[in-house]
Amino acid sequence: DIVLTQNPSSPVTLGQSASISCRSSESLVHSDGNTYLSWLQQRPGQPPRLLIYKISDRFPGVPDRFSGSGAGTEFTLKISSVEAEDVGVYYCMQATHSPLSFGGGTKVEIK
Amino acid sequence: QVQLVQSGAEVKKPGASVKVSCKASGYTFIGFYMHWVRQAPGQGLEWMGWINPNGGDTKYSEKFQDRITLTRDTSINTVYLDFRNLRSDDTAIYYCARVGRLAGFWGPGTQVIVSS
Repeated sequence: DIVLTQNPSSPVTLGQSASISCRSSESLVHSDGNTYLSWLQQRPGQPPRLLIYKISDRFPGVPDRFSGSGAGTEFTLKISSVEAEDVGVYYCMQATHSPLSFGGGTKVEIK
Repeated sequence: QVQLVQSGAEVKKPGASVKVSCKASGYTFIGFYMHWVRQAPGQGLEWMGWINPNGGDTKYSEKFQDRITLTRDTSINTVYLDFRNLRSDDTAIYYCARVGRLAGFWGPGTQVIVSS
């Protein structure tokens, strides 16, 4: 199974940018040429919410301060100008290989 | 819009079974796989299995394959998680999720507490 590795926490200052990394144990490039790496946000007490899919496509309704990048085995979620409502845990998830799998999560907290 | 509505919280004793339901609306039920993911207190997300509502085929995580069964009722657009022989470390929130390569819709979660 694919293992996704994330840093456990990322303290940020309001208004500054935050970067969250996700490293995969294997390439996430599918045979169809796409890379099915998603980012989820989980606010305290809430279910996860999809932010980004296929590395960099924003899900409808997601603010454009969230952006994704990367390729192969290394991926990054960037939050530009962090707001108080962005506090929570962020997970990467891969759906290229079966079974789908999640990173351990990165907690974004305000300094 | 896509909606997933789950059954209410459960409290079970060790060794008991629980059945959690997830009713889908807002899309063609048989067109998308449904996954079950759990989250223990303070922990991350753990994939348990999926069911294809169109035909009922399933795939389970090796960790759970001896204790869970996923089923569906296409007449009421509902999937079910049957979890047997519960242990205290099965205490968690259980989510149904229509997730995959291009989308992600999550139910609100069902709290299951296993305690003697």
